[in-house]
Amino acid sequence: NAGVTQTPKFRVLKTGQSMTLLCAQDMNHEYMYWYRQDPGMGLRLIHYSVGEGTTAKGEVPDGYNVSRLKKQNFLLGLESAAPSQTSVYFCASSYGQMNTEAFFGQGTRLTVV
Amino acid sequence: DQQVKQNSPSLSVQEGRISILNCDYTNSMFDYFLWYKKYPAEGPTFLISISSIKDKNEDGRFTVFLNKSAKHLSLHIVPSQPGDSAVYFCAARTPGYSTLTFGKGTMLLVSP
Repeated sequence: NAGVTQTPKFRVLKTGQSMTLLCAQDMNHEYMYWYRQDPGMGLRLIHYSVGEGTTAKGEVPDGYNVSRLKKQNFLLGLESAAPSQTSVYFCASSYGQMNTEAFFGQGTRLTVV
Repeated sequence: DQQVKQNSPSLSVQEGRISILNCDYTNSMFDYFLWYKKYPAEGPTFLISISSIKDKNEDGRFTVFLNKSAKHLSLHIVPSQPGDSAVYFCAARTPGYSTLTFGKGTMLLVSP
């Protein structure tokens, strides 16, 4: 049982490059989330999804796009990376709104130079 | 404005003693509170939660207390163990929303 798997675990990008972070969960969860963690800032929600084909903006959505084409996958895209997007990105999933015990992936450390 | 506040960035405790991590919130609509634990290079893991209709929830060495009038909750770890050394995040849910609001975290260091 893999739980929540994030790919890749590390990445270095040049300013202006694009990339996609993949999150996959095998728990049949409806809800999926993308957070970023920065020093002294805690976890901030970027985008989330309440089911296949749905997405919604979180607290810090600018510069990111997401897609949920399959229930088990939630993709986070950076179209034109900026140094301010250097962060650790966490994906999470949960059964639903009433059960908020989210399961997190191991994180992706992204550096934009 | 930060709705969930963990005002202590760090806490040091000796093994066997009690660790008390605090969390304050400003949104009286929050109806569910959770604590997550995070080790370096790993994702956060769920630790314990409490509904706003309760004032205490216990799970082994971990107890969460909720004081709604003060908009304050605390996590007690008794006895503390070196393996408890981690960052602890407080999180809260607003009814009708699908997301959690997290605090900035408190780094707990338990020394032998």
